[in-house]
Amino acid sequence: DTGVSQDPRHKITKRGQNVTFRCDPISEHNRLYWYRQTLGQGPEFLTYFQNEAQLEKSRLLSDRFSAERPKGSFSTLEIQRTEQGDSAMYLCASSLVNTLYEQYFGPGTRLTVT
Amino acid sequence: QQQVKQSPQSLIVQKGGISIINCAYENTAFDYFPWYQQFPGKGPALLIAIRPDVSEKKEGRFTISFNKSAKQFSLHIMDSQPGDSATYFCAASEDSNYQLIWGAGTKLIIKP
Repeated sequence: DTGVSQDPRHKITKRGQNVTFRCDPISEHNRLYWYRQTLGQGPEFLTYFQNEAQLEKSRLLSDRFSAERPKGSFSTLEIQRTEQGDSAMYLCASSLVNTLYEQYFGPGTRLTVT
Repeated sequence: QQQVKQSPQSLIVQKGGISIINCAYENTAFDYFPWYQQFPGKGPALLIAIRPDVSEKKEGRFTISFNKSAKQFSLHIMDSQPGDSATYFCAASEDSNYQLIWGAGTKLIIKP
């Protein structure tokens, strides 16, 4: 399977704990995006990378959130001191250098904070 | 300015009928308008997309109609099938950052 993959698919954590998600984009894609989706809503943009550089972060991304893409390949999204309001589906997408508009999404990581 | 408004919130169509979902936007800098299909527990999948230099794009049973002056675009699904039952999202972006701004989604149910 050469699509975008995300790990884990589901994560249940207690409030106050830290969690980290991983995204592996399609191999030749140089753009990688993180979105958050709550039930019944469209995804909301969080941040994106071009290669290893993080070019933009949404105001939704509080200081408790951090994302990295250290070698321009896979990316991680960490949430520190999780809150119940962080419960959502976290989606990763990637796009090719010549077709930057066409974003291909992974299956998402569903986070539940209890 | 950044919003994309999508309607209806839910839609029930008989098998074989035409499903129509509408979106409207305000930001005139948007220049790419995709539609995504999402099944429960899955990520969104790119279905079809249009640029504002054309008024219509057709791929199989799926057609996007685009009205630049009205700042509206719509998805038409012809000969709707039960397998089309999913949530559909419109989105828009501009080439300054390619960040997708999403509609709230339409839950489509095709009745056999």
